[in-house]
Amino acid sequence: SQQGEEDPQALSIQEGENATMNCSYKTSINNLQWYRQNSGRGLVHLILIRSNEREKHSGRLRVTLDTSKKSSSLLITASRAADTASYFCATDARALTFGSGTRLQVQP
Amino acid sequence: EAGVAQSPRYKIIEKRQSVAFWCNPISGHATLYWYQQILGQGPKLLIQFQNNGVVDDSQLPKDRFSAERLKGVDSTLKIQPAKLEDSAVYLCASSPGASYSYEQYFGPGTRLTVT
Repeated sequence: SQQGEEDPQALSIQEGENATMNCSYKTSINNLQWYRQNSGRGLVHLILIRSNEREKHSGRLRVTLDTSKKSSSLLITASRAADTASYFCATDARALTFGSGTRLQVQP
Repeated sequence: EAGVAQSPRYKIIEKRQSVAFWCNPISGHATLYWYQQILGQGPKLLIQFQNNGVVDDSQLPKDRFSAERLKGVDSTLKIQPAKLEDSAVYLCASSPGASYSYEQYFGPGTRLTVT
């Protein structure tokens, strides 16, 4: 079974709104990564947060990590149509293990 | 800097046939990964190489899948014979080191359809 599970499975918002995706995992980790995948393309690394960090920012992205709850969230602020993609969290419990992803649709 | 290259981009074969995928990682990246991504799911690691040695192949169906990375650069993944459930996108990724604290760089993938 996959280590990380994203929630919701699908999300549709209007351009300019914020999008929040959550990830839950089962075992202890050293770090957690978020990746984006556009339709028909490979994955692109967005951000890595270490287990001793609680929050990290990169441009319009904000990631939080709560190791006590074994959960992480990815916030995309002021979304754009180009943010339409699937977003995956990946944990390093053993190999890099990906969840099933959140499919984000940003309506122009 | 050139990204991870994969070929072919698409392949359609009949069940019981064989197929091979090729990957050229980013120059200087010692670690290479092959993932299988079934529609609607996240990528699943099949095999990890460090230079030309295998680090982890625990999830590789070794009765039908094989992979090699000669000279520690390019890699090929082979399926023989293919089954219907092998229909998926096969992604190659590379990273500068073996630790999972490194970012992985993914190629565009090969979409395999087995009929």
